[in-house]
Amino acid sequence: DVKVTQSSRYLVKRTGEKVFLECVQDMDHENMFWYRQDPGLGLRLIYFSYDVKMKEKGDIPEGYSVSREKKERFSLILESASTNQTSMYLCASSSRTSGSYEQYFGPGTRLTVT
Amino acid sequence: QKEVEQNSGPLSVPEGAIASLNCTYSDRGSQSFFWYRQYSGKSPELIMFIYSNGDKEDGRFTAQLNKASQYVSLLIRDSQPSDSATYLCAVRSNSSYKLIFGSGTRLLVRP
Repeated sequence: DVKVTQSSRYLVKRTGEKVFLECVQDMDHENMFWYRQDPGLGLRLIYFSYDVKMKEKGDIPEGYSVSREKKERFSLILESASTNQTSMYLCASSSRTSGSYEQYFGPGTRLTVT
Repeated sequence: QKEVEQNSGPLSVPEGAIASLNCTYSDRGSQSFFWYRQYSGKSPELIMFIYSNGDKEDGRFTAQLNKASQYVSLLIRDSQPSDSATYLCAVRSNSSYKLIFGSGTRLLVRP
């Protein structure tokens, strides 16, 4: 079974803090993704990575950066947290080699910025 | 026009009935189609995926794909109250690693 884990289920940070969200997958997947999910707005892609050290912007990258130094780990960084970044953050991974590209999600991190 | 469209619902069905969830997509180059289930406060969980026109069955779930009409549906037979959740449709275009998600249909199964 694919397992995707995220570093925290719930996180509360103050405005202006630097925030790190970590995601680890154990299935040797090449692709990893960060989404945020807000009521009424659905899942929105922030960044994705298709290989170590490679990254591409998604639909809403502003205010975020990412790091992928190892294949199994993909980090999302909020450089200076703002209240409008309060959201559920979801990490996902998928395999390129399987040909099916289905994504498996971690449990999510509910981030509150006060 | 949204790339992947779903009726937001809620779709309400009695226990034991067939629930039919629909999804349309705009990109004719789409290759793979996915259904996810998401319980409130939880992350999406993959139910099944389909590539070819026709039906694909997995237990009580059947995915149906019609590429000519650009639509994909999910049928849930013998619906149970535990099936009450939001169902997300996702589509992958050729030569992309990304999935495009619909906003989901909320399903309520009444006991």
